[in-house]
Amino acid sequence: AQSVTQLDSQVPVFEEAPVELRCNYSSSVSVYLFWYVQYPNQGLQLLLKYLSGSTLVKGINGFEAEFNKSQTSFHLRKPSVHISDTAEYFCAVIKNTGFQKLVFGTGTRLLVSP
Amino acid sequence: DTGVSQDPRHKITKRGQNVTFRCDPISEHNRLYWYRQTLGQGPEFLTYFQNEAQLEKSRLLSDRFSAERPKGSFSTLEIQRTEQGDSAMYLCASSLGGGGLYEQYFGPGTRLTVT
Repeated sequence: AQSVTQLDSQVPVFEEAPVELRCNYSSSVSVYLFWYVQYPNQGLQLLLKYLSGSTLVKGINGFEAEFNKSQTSFHLRKPSVHISDTAEYFCAVIKNTGFQKLVFGTGTRLLVSP
Repeated sequence: DTGVSQDPRHKITKRGQNVTFRCDPISEHNRLYWYRQTLGQGPEFLTYFQNEAQLEKSRLLSDRFSAERPKGSFSTLEIQRTEQGDSAMYLCASSLGGGGLYEQYFGPGTRLTVT
């Protein structure tokens, strides 16, 4: 089975500061990795995904993430955040064989203040 | 781009009543997923359809839950004899194909409150 750990339930940060949201996963098989964002009263939107190849993945809204297989991590970063980035961020994995369902972490709330 | 739509957006019901939610996926998507999200948690997989066939069901889906996707288009999720523990956001997603190669597009969700 797969599992995802997001240790930080909430990350407060000032506008224009850099931010890193941490994600660690556990799986006995190879997985694909994702970051989703959820704005209040909305569904989830895909930020970026890692399938294979370069371990540094760039996504929408200036976000990027780095896959580290040895540390089983997929941390999300942004060099300079905006107020509009305030949202819930979910890391998710999906195994790359057999039936494939998304397994989500518990989420990290990013709070950007002026 | 109409996206995935869900109806209703909010539902308040009394314990013991039955409720039904509807999901309209993106029209060309043959795969449809239902997830449940409780407060402070990430979404959890409930069930999955490929066209009209329900291929996977989570153990979270008790006998009181039933899902259908007639003709491989829209889907309904029914909860019978609701309990307070059923209060959650129910999310629907659709994709063009299976696995991580195909993005799952999520709807806005139906928030269920059982009083």
